Amino acid sequence: ETGVTQSPTHLIKTRGQQVTLRCSSQSGHNTVSWYQQALGQGPQFIFQYYREEENGRGNFPPRFSGLQFPNYSSELNVNALELDDSALYLCASSPALTGGYTFGSGTRLTVV
Amino acid sequence: DAKTTQPPSMDCAEGRAANLPCNHSTISGNEYVYWYRQIHSQGPQYIIHGLKNNETNEMASLIITEDRKSSTLILPHATLRDTAVYYCIVRVANLGSGTYKYIFGTGTRLKVLA
Repeated sequence: ETGVTQSPTHLIKTRGQQVTLRCSSQSGHNTVSWYQQALGQGPQFIFQYYREEENGRGNFPPRFSGLQFPNYSSELNVNALELDDSALYLCASSPALTGGYTFGSGTRLTVV
Repeated sequence: DAKTTQPPSMDCAEGRAANLPCNHSTISGNEYVYWYRQIHSQGPQYIIHGLKNNETNEMASLIITEDRKSSTLILPHATLRDTAVYYCIVRVANLGSGTYKYIFGTGTRLKVLA
């Protein structure tokens, strides 16, 4: 049984650029959530995908968007990057809508 | 909109029980409490969860007070590898969608001392 895998592991972008982060959910998991974790803070919920549709969103602006594919993998897209977007981005998958999430190791994004 | 409060740090001697407290005084009746831990900015690792009954698994025990306003995670015999940030989390419904999200607090940094 493979876990949740995220790519890339590290990324450096310039302010104003766009970035796409990728997540492969654990086998059998159809629900994916994305979290942002700033240094020294707990993860903050960005949004959740189920059956290829967004069905829950935290307090993040529209420039944070995502996709879920038929194989349940997912992407997080961030447009017009700001310095404060520098963080660890975590993907988590679950076999159901009710939680019990398995987290990936994250993508460390640095915006300069 | 954090729903949990935890002490920022704790120390525990190796081999002793580590008791990590969490306050969640605004928790609603159908909201579960989850515990995860995070080592060196890796992804959080699931430990245990519960609603109102005490729970135990191979990693830990979870004691939830009768009024559900607080809980304690117990690692019965802490080892050096248990050094991590421990998060007490409330699972909250995403309104209108039938789905759920985790609300993390800032966690407790547990240091197990040799």
